[in-house]
Amino acid sequence: AQSVTQPDIHITVSEGASLELRCNYSYGATPYLFWYVQSPGQGLQLLLKYFSGDTLVQGIKGFEAEFKRSQSSFNLRKPSVHWSDAAEYFCAVGGLEYGNKLVFGAGTILRVKS
Amino acid sequence: GAGVSQTPSNKVTEKGKYVELRCDPISGHTALYWYRQSLGQGPEFLIYFQGTGAADDSGLPNDRFFAVRPEGSVSTLKIQRTERGDSAVYLCASSLLAGKDEQFFGPGTRLTVL
Repeated sequence: AQSVTQPDIHITVSEGASLELRCNYSYGATPYLFWYVQSPGQGLQLLLKYFSGDTLVQGIKGFEAEFKRSQSSFNLRKPSVHWSDAAEYFCAVGGLEYGNKLVFGAGTILRVKS
Repeated sequence: GAGVSQTPSNKVTEKGKYVELRCDPISGHTALYWYRQSLGQGPEFLIYFQGTGAADDSGLPNDRFFAVRPEGSVSTLKIQRTERGDSAVYLCASSLLAGKDEQFFGPGTRLTVL
């Protein structure tokens, strides 16, 4: 079955520390990969996306992600976290192999401590 | 420009009642998607339209759920004989075309079935 795994339900990091959120997808030779952020009471906002080409993609708010085909992973990173980054982060997979719809992971809640 | 809008933002109903949830996509977007997000979960696909027709309704949980998009713009998600398990946030998204184009999400409708 098509699935996306985000193994960390909650992550707490100190402000200024680096961050890595993990994401693995179940299958697909040419997946389209996305990271979305959802703040309380807000809609989903796209942080970055990967379709093809360079496997390291840059997004908004200083985030980046790296696609590793051999590991079926698309981990999100940020070198220095800000208090305003506290939110829930969702990894999603789409594309033709997924019927042009998005399959989301369960999300990772990021807490930032000062 | 205007983003995706959804009305109402909150809907409280009683078990067994009928509800309609409305989505106004971004002007010019031909693809429209409905997702459902239960507490502590990522969004789950329900149905998507390319133009006026439902291209994929495989995510609708049962025949109590139905969606229309008669003029290829506004869409309505209809739920008959609501059950407590239908309580969730219903998200709408639109994109220029189905597939590679970014999906822009609305703020959602929080449905509570008492």
